[in-house]
Amino acid sequence: KQEVTQIPAALSVPEGENLVLNCSFTDSAIYNLQWFRQDPGKGLTSLLLIQSSQREQTSGRLNASLDKSSGRSTLYIAASQPGDSATYLCAVRPGSGDKLTFGTGTRLAVRP
Amino acid sequence: DAGVIQSPRHEVTEMGQEVTLRCKPISGHDYLFWYRQTMMRGLELLIYFNNNVPIDDSGMPEDRFSAKMPNASFSTLKIQPSEPRDSAVYFCASTSQSGETQYFGPGTRLLVL
Repeated sequence: KQEVTQIPAALSVPEGENLVLNCSFTDSAIYNLQWFRQDPGKGLTSLLLIQSSQREQTSGRLNASLDKSSGRSTLYIAASQPGDSATYLCAVRPGSGDKLTFGTGTRLAVRP
Repeated sequence: DAGVIQSPRHEVTEMGQEVTLRCKPISGHDYLFWYRQTMMRGLELLIYFNNNVPIDDSGMPEDRFSAKMPNASFSTLKIQPSEPRDSAVYFCASTSQSGETQYFGPGTRLLVL
């Protein structure tokens, strides 16, 4: 059974800092991995999707990397802003089927 | 497009009552997913459909839960009878192709007293 863990569970940083969120998964036979953002009381918004054959994806100040063999992904946020404050979730899709397994999430607070 | 639409946004009911949650996926999306989010268990997939057909319902907790998709633009998740432990936020999501980005609705916050 796939298990996805995110460390740290919570993070508080001052505005302007670069930061890294971590995601690890136990079964490396994945099809892809997604990073989502969830604001309080809202649904999830997809940030980046990395296919299993890719090493990284970039969107603006966000960069996600994937090391499938070691079961790890990182989300790098450059020059953090208060508007980045949210919970960040990673999710893995298995080699077959569309059942995503979500991580436990990292709650990020960026202080002005 | 208006995105994935869910109703109601909030629901408060008493134990034993029937609860029906509704979802309208993004037009043209062939896949629809129902998730449940709680503090204890995080975000879990309950069931998903492809072209209105249930593909994987292994996450449905028990027989009290049922989901239907009578057409491409509408799905329901029903709980009968409801119990306090069903209190959670229920999300609906859709996607156009297998393996592609899933787009989530705003969720329905359910409280069973």
